Amino acid sequence: DAKTTQPTSMDCAEGRAANLPCNHSTISGNEYVYWYRQIHSQGPQYIIHGLKNNETNEMASLIITEDRKSSTLILPHATLRDTAVYYCIVREGFQKLVFGTGTRLLVSP
Amino acid sequence: GAVVSQHPSWVICKSGTSVKIECRSLDFQATTMFWYRQFPKQSLMLMATSNEGSKATYEQGVEKDKFLINHASLTLSTLTVTSAHPEDSSFYICSARVQGDNSPLHFGNGTRLTVT
Repeated sequence: DAKTTQPTSMDCAEGRAANLPCNHSTISGNEYVYWYRQIHSQGPQYIIHGLKNNETNEMASLIITEDRKSSTLILPHATLRDTAVYYCIVREGFQKLVFGTGTRLLVSP
Repeated sequence: GAVVSQHPSWVICKSGTSVKIECRSLDFQATTMFWYRQFPKQSLMLMATSNEGSKATYEQGVEKDKFLINHASLTLSTLTVTSAHPEDSSFYICSARVQGDNSPLHFGNGTRLTVT
């Protein structure tokens, strides 16, 4: 079973920041937080991952709370092409990746 | 880097026939690959873990004799759907991991199988 909970859907205006929350209250000390997104009829795309420090790359920023029980994925300037289902997943080492239901983000003009 | 290629991207077959789907890691070696299945409006469900040079590990409820997995090299895993039926119609997606304990999985673009 997935160890995370996410809102079913979110809306965001084009050009604004999209902040996608994720709860993972049972996360263990060695589990990383991964974010993927899936655009319709494509395979999931890796976005970012982190353990306890905040992370940033060319796609997004990941903010992890100090107690590690929740995190937020930030897309700083959402575009229409960011419309997708976003999955937050926790995983340790060589464990398999278990997908939950994700958040359907709709970016509108 | 870290490109996973899946072929074919879509296939239509008749009930009772078998279909093979290939998953290749193009620029890295993958000792482990994963096969997922996704039905419309649902999330990805893990079917099996494919290990190079050994037998695959199947998730509960997945028939190993129906979904044959072969991982003969560090860059290729295949999934064969044997004696396909219309209920096997789905989106099949493979993934592979670059070496390293916590490195992310990278996914192919999926294969849409339609069984008529």
